[in-house]
Amino acid sequence: DTAVSQTPKYLVTQMGNDKSIKCEQNLGHDTMYWYKQDSKKFLKIMFSYNNKELIINETVPNRFSPKSPDKAHLNLHINSLELGDSAVYFCASSQRGLDEKLFFGSGTQLSVL
Amino acid sequence: GESVGLHLPTLSVQEGDNSIINCAYSNSASDYFIWYKQESGKGPQFIIDIRSNMDKRQGQRVTVLLNKTVKHLSLQIAATQPGDSAVYFCAEETQGGSEKLVFGKGTKLTVNP
Repeated sequence: DTAVSQTPKYLVTQMGNDKSIKCEQNLGHDTMYWYKQDSKKFLKIMFSYNNKELIINETVPNRFSPKSPDKAHLNLHINSLELGDSAVYFCASSQRGLDEKLFFGSGTQLSVL
Repeated sequence: GESVGLHLPTLSVQEGDNSIINCAYSNSASDYFIWYKQESGKGPQFIIDIRSNMDKRQGQRVTVLLNKTVKHLSLQIAATQPGDSAVYFCAEETQGGSEKLVFGKGTKLTVNP
């Protein structure tokens, strides 16, 4: 059973396109996250949702719009893709108040051409 | 800049040796620390955590040491195996603060047979 699953695993697209990445967790956690990992493996938080409410929004261009239809899902929509958006995007979840361990998905490698 | 960093970007050890991966943090208010392991093509995976009221915690073949005086964290892996080859990240969080994990840059561990 996959705890945190995200799709697609690979995404290759042209500059200017709009794309979405989906994430689902079956751990019953109340908090979900999107992290971006650059080519140097640096991991940086982008967004965090707790029970469908946005609680962390780092300095991310407004071309990135997360959406959480329920606490088990957190999708990421990206408008007008740019070359610099190429990275690996990780979804993660945790249960606040229990411990802060994040459980990560396997990542979506986005390549913008 | 980021508050969590690593002394060495790469570490190469022989199979069976012990490995020590170091991490320095600058936020003295951080009170929760986690080590993650990321294998190629996968998401980061939790290894071990430690809270600031402890200075040592042991798991299976791994030990985390926390020195709050010099703001230093280390991960010790006993009898390193080829399967331990991965990128290791330390992460810190300030409970009651922004409640987000800040990741260090990562150390790539290579275990030679």
